[in-house]
Amino acid sequence: QKEVEQDPGPLSVPEGAIVSLNCTYSNSAFQYFMWYRQYSRKGPELLMYTYSSGNKEDGRFTAQVDKSSKYISLFIRDSQPSDSATYLCAMSGRSFGNEKLTFGTGTRLTIIP
Amino acid sequence: EPEVTQTPSHQVTQMGQEVILRCVPISNHLYFYWYRQILGQKVEFLVSFYNNEISEKSEIFDDQFSVERPDGSNFTLKIRSTKLEDSAMYFCASSEGGQGSQPQHFGDGTRLSIL
Repeated sequence: QKEVEQDPGPLSVPEGAIVSLNCTYSNSAFQYFMWYRQYSRKGPELLMYTYSSGNKEDGRFTAQVDKSSKYISLFIRDSQPSDSATYLCAMSGRSFGNEKLTFGTGTRLTIIP
Repeated sequence: EPEVTQTPSHQVTQMGQEVILRCVPISNHLYFYWYRQILGQKVEFLVSFYNNEISEKSEIFDDQFSVERPDGSNFTLKIRSTKLEDSAMYFCASSEGGQGSQPQHFGDGTRLSIL
C-alpha cells in the first residue's frame, strides 16, 4: 500500500462549481498536512497547511483532516479558471518545517469557463 | 514575497557527466531540501540539510549525489556521473524550521535532461 494515495484525475468542472480534492494515507505518524498547487513547469506553491484533525479555511479554500479515517480534503468554492493546476497533498510526522515531506501523485484540475 | 530561486531552469547533459544544480534558499531559512519529480510521477524527497550537514537522505540519494552549502546563500546538488534515469525536475525547498514554522517553500525547479 502506498503511503499517500491521491486520485490523479484529470478532473474538469465548470467555473463557479465547488471542487473536492482528496488524499488518503496509511502512515498514522503523519500529523502535519499540506496542500500545494503546481502550475505547469513551475514548482509546488504552498496553499494550505493544517495540524492534526479539523478544518481550516482561507478565502475560497477549506482544508479538512480526518485522522481517524486517514483522509484529508481540500475544497475550493466558486472555482475560477485560474485555479486550473495540479494539486498536491503532502504530509510529515514531526513538524511543518524541519522534516521531509511525503507527497501524493497530484490531481490535475481544469476549471472550464 | 521572498522566494527560492534555482538555476539553471533547464540543463542538458551527456550521460556520465557531472552536473551541479544551484539554489538560493530564502535568506532567513535554516533547513534546505532537494526533491525530484520524474515526468508523470510524484515529487520524491532526496535529502535534507541543516547546520551544514545532511540530516536525512532517501535511498535515491546514493554515492553519486552530494550536497553543499558553499557560502551563506547558495545550496547545491551535485550528481557525479549522471545516468539516463536521473532525468527529472529537481526542486530545491527551504524552511525556517522549528516548531510553529511554516512548511517548506519550493523553487521552480531545474529540468535535467540526460542524453
